[in-house]
Amino acid sequence: RKEVEQDPGPFNVPEGATVAFNCTYSNSASQSFFWYRQDCRKEPKLLMSVYSSGNEDGRFTAQLNRASQYISLLIRDSKLSDSATYLCVVNPPGGYQKVTFGTGTKLQVIP
Amino acid sequence: DGGITQSPKYLFRKEGQNVTLSCEQNLNHDAMYWYRQDPGQGLRLIYYSQIVNDFQKGDIAEGYSVSREKKESFPLTVTSAQKNPTAFYLCASSKPGQGIYNEQFFGPGTRLTVL
Repeated sequence: RKEVEQDPGPFNVPEGATVAFNCTYSNSASQSFFWYRQDCRKEPKLLMSVYSSGNEDGRFTAQLNRASQYISLLIRDSKLSDSATYLCVVNPPGGYQKVTFGTGTKLQVIP
Repeated sequence: DGGITQSPKYLFRKEGQNVTLSCEQNLNHDAMYWYRQDPGQGLRLIYYSQIVNDFQKGDIAEGYSVSREKKESFPLTVTSAQKNPTAFYLCASSKPGQGIYNEQFFGPGTRLTVL
């Protein structure tokens, strides 16, 4: 099993739709989790951290399910500008040594 | 403005040549990382450094070398031993020790093409 797995997509959704991505991880002792956004031919940028209690930032909601070892990202009221690849990132125990990036889920929001 | 800079943005190299990619940060971050990204694939860790004068191999270190003589700088050399060096190279930094939510911040990347 891969350390971090994501559905590569693409997810093609109309503007205004709600879309959700999941990311599963194999190391149950993983400590922290993040969602990054990467636009085509650009660097990844932090979208949000994922807290145990879940967190929300505007139209974006991130959740962590430790029992089933996955994190999720929900995007409400999708905008054309949300089109990008969303990367899941998992930190191992001890923090920063070797984080693992998922291969990303591609989202295309269509008019 | 604090951030991470990488240069050059585009780099062309002939086979058999070594080339050095620059990465500088003024975020006062202790940890720095080099990743490689190939088309349609995820990021793979080449090297990382937690403190000055110390660095560790990542998952794909063969054919690469690094140095960390200053906190702000973490250059990556792609040697002729790297068999397939054409890729997008990303440098990142983070400040571990500030709790477990130590996210990484990325530079804009260098796109290396071997001719």
